[in-house]
This record gives sequence, C-alpha cells and structure tokens, in this order.
Amino acid sequence: SYELTQPPSVSVSPGQTATIPCFGDNLAGKYACWYQQKPGQSPKLLIYQDSKRPSGIPERFSGSNSGTTATLTISETQPIDEADYYCQAWDSTAYVFGPGTKVTVL
Amino acid sequence: QITLKESGPTLMKPTETLTLTCTFSGFSLSTGVGVGWFRQPPGKAPQWLALIYWDDDTRYSSSLKSRLTITKDTSKNQVVLTMTNIAPVDTGTYYCAHRGGGFDYWGQGTLVTVSS
Repeated sequence: SYELTQPPSVSVSPGQTATIPCFGDNLAGKYACWYQQKPGQSPKLLIYQDSKRPSGIPERFSGSNSGTTATLTISETQPIDEADYYCQAWDSTAYVFGPGTKVTVL
Repeated sequence: QITLKESGPTLMKPTETLTLTCTFSGFSLSTGVGVGWFRQPPGKAPQWLALIYWDDDTRYSSSLKSRLTITKDTSKNQVVLTMTNIAPVDTGTYYCAHRGGGFDYWGQGTLVTVSS
C-alpha cells in the first residue's frame, strides 16, 4: 500500500518560515493536500491540488509538489500556527495520510 | 454555509455493528460532490474509510472494505456508514467531510469507544 512520510516535528521562531516536507513515491504524479489540526478540533484543509488555497486560508500558507516531495510552507509563522499538519494524497484506490508533523512556534 | 454533523453510539462492545450518520446542510449531493468518512485513533493521523459520490459511486479503504458499507439518503441530506464486527482497535474519533477540491468541510467528529 502507498505510504507518505513526514518528520515528526518542526520548530520555528515567530515571524520565520516553516517548511514541512511530505515524502512518497512519485508523489508529484498525485495531487497533494495539506490539513491543519489543533487539539480538540477537526482537520482543516489548507492546501489542495498541490498548491491551491481554499477561500479564507491566509496567503502565508503555500504548497508545492515535485518528484517525491510535497512541501507546505508557512511564511511569517505566528503562534496560532502551532498545530499538527498532515499531508494527504489519492493513490488511485485510497486517500492516504502522512503520519503528521507537529509544528512548535517558540 | 456548509455544515456536517456526525451522530451515533459512543460506546460499543466487540463484534457489534457500528452505524454512524452524517447529517449535512448547505449543499446537496449533486454532480461532482462526495461525502467521505474518516477515523482518527487518539494521538494518530486521520485514516480514510469510505467515500460516496452524488451518483452512488462508492470507494472503500481496501483494508476495511469487507466491513464497511456507505450509503446516502439524498432526501434527508444524510450519509450513513456501517462497520461490522468492531473491535477495540476501532476506537477513535469518526468524522465525515464534504469533498470539494479536497475535503474542505469537516464535521466536529464523534468519539466511538469499543470496549467489553
């Protein structure tokens, strides 16, 4: 079965840029999505089709996908961005999620 | 405004059949639209379970396909997921979500605990 991998954690200082990678075989051949989840809340879609932002998502969230790596970039990171971030892709028969990356803003 | 809400039992015993209902508003299951079900064990990533489209096309997680059934009642704006022969490993928060560009609207989730 298809697998996505992510680093367990990323730390970033306020105002700096956080980069969260997601790795998978031929990931560029599949559309990647990114979700943010805060404790006690449902996942929130941040990015779909690799780089598109739903209405209401700040421009400081951006996505890219090339080769085996999809990347979520958070520019000018704010304390409210502290959360778990999950990548997700459709692998012809299943929606697959990565294990998640905890972003700490300190 | 699109909203979804999951409902169903909170405590189940092993081997029972779980039935969860997703009641939605703000959209209809029309062309191009789907509703999916997910679950999330405590402290772990979400796991996709099933998806139903406006035209009754259904997709299932291959690892759970034999235990899952997803149906829709368009007149009631509901999507129902059944899972047979549940076990403690099925404990988690179950979510339904609207599939637009991605899964762009999620319900609040319902915690299901399986214990004898």
